[in-house]
Amino acid sequence: AQSVTQLGSHVSVSEGALVLLRCNYSSSVPPYLFWYVQYPNQGLQLLLKYTTGATLVKGINGFEAEFKKSETSFHLTKPSAHMSDAAEYFCAVEASGTYKYIFGTGTRLKVLA
Amino acid sequence: NAGVTQTPKFQVLKTGQSMTLQCAQDMNHNSMYWYRQDPGMGLRLIYYSASEGTTDKGEVPNGYNVSRLNKREFSLRLESAAPSQTSVYFCASSESSGVYEQYFGPGTRLTVT
Repeated sequence: AQSVTQLGSHVSVSEGALVLLRCNYSSSVPPYLFWYVQYPNQGLQLLLKYTTGATLVKGINGFEAEFKKSETSFHLTKPSAHMSDAAEYFCAVEASGTYKYIFGTGTRLKVLA
Repeated sequence: NAGVTQTPKFQVLKTGQSMTLQCAQDMNHNSMYWYRQDPGMGLRLIYYSASEGTTDKGEVPNGYNVSRLNKREFSLRLESAAPSQTSVYFCASSESSGVYEQYFGPGTRLTVT
């Protein structure tokens, strides 16, 4: 069975500081991994995804994530936070074509001026 | 392109009432999904439809039924609403499973009193 753990339901950073949102997964088969962002009162939209190949994945809005198989992690980073990054972020895993996407519980990012 | 549309945006029901949430996508996607989002629990998959004519249970199917009316439309029905079904419901679609990202609708906020 697949599962996703996001450490920290709330994270605060200062504008211009590094953003690090943590995601650990478990999967019995090679996983597909995703990060989605949700702005208030909206649906989710894709930030980036890992399928196969290069383990460092770049996404939209300057975000990137690194797939580390040995650590079963897929942490999301951004070098310099912007006020517009304030949102809720979800890590998700899908196990090799099962259609059953499992989402983490989300991390709400607050950016301080 | 409208993407994924959901109706209604808001709904209040009394316990025991029934209703159908509508979802449509104009991206010619094969797969469609229904999720519920509750505070602190992330998104949980209710039902999915891998392709037109097929539907399968997700993580939390009890109390719900679905219909894949055609390739564009996927509806979610609550036959006898319960307060535990108070939630925000999201419909999503994707080309298929695995590597393909999901596109989400704006959500339906349902309150059952």
